[in-house]
Amino acid sequence: DVKVTQSSRYLVKRTGEKVFLECVQDMDHENMFWYRQDPGLGLRLIYFSYDVKMKEKGDIPEGYSVSREKKERFSLILESASTNQTSMYLCASSFSRGSPYGYTFGSGTRLTVV
Amino acid sequence: GEDVEQSLFLSVREGDSSVINCTYTDSSSTYLYWYKQEPGAGLQLLTYIFSNMDMKQDQRLTVLLNKKDKHLSLRIADTQTGDSAIYFCAEIPRGDYKLSFGAGTTVTVRA
Repeated sequence: DVKVTQSSRYLVKRTGEKVFLECVQDMDHENMFWYRQDPGLGLRLIYFSYDVKMKEKGDIPEGYSVSREKKERFSLILESASTNQTSMYLCASSFSRGSPYGYTFGSGTRLTVV
Repeated sequence: GEDVEQSLFLSVREGDSSVINCTYTDSSSTYLYWYKQEPGAGLQLLTYIFSNMDMKQDQRLTVLLNKKDKHLSLRIADTQTGDSAIYFCAEIPRGDYKLSFGAGTTVTVRA
């Protein structure tokens, strides 16, 4: 019954590594989002996509990029991981603009950069 | 951008009612939401309210919306240990599809 799947629950990477976080949804949703969650800061939007091959910057895009080659998959890329990117990363999707059902979230990936 | 504000912590005794408060700034928001995040998990939609409603009740949950004061609250009746979680208030401004989240209220239920 899982609808938004993030490929890893926990990841440990070294500083300077290129890191890929994968997210897949099976609900045919148009919109997909990547957030990071830090204590006391809530959820901050990194990037989002409202269509295949389309992407827009969120509030904190620096140090990240994204890829959406297929509707169901939205990847977050850390080009050169740094310790300040240690965080919980949450992927979400939504059906369309104005839907009352908000987002469906994945279970999250806890990334530690050492 | 829009700011959604919540208090960070709430401690409540098992069996009592919990009230989590939220203020938002965008009066054009069409829908307002409450999400729950259990430890180590993603966010789960608890309930939502349309902006033309004042109240919505769903079993133990009651949502109150005061549009004049831009105030949203979530009341959990008969709070149980399984209600211990982080609760996020969120809004979608009219014409947008991006949710703006508050920082989350950590609810701790004590015996």
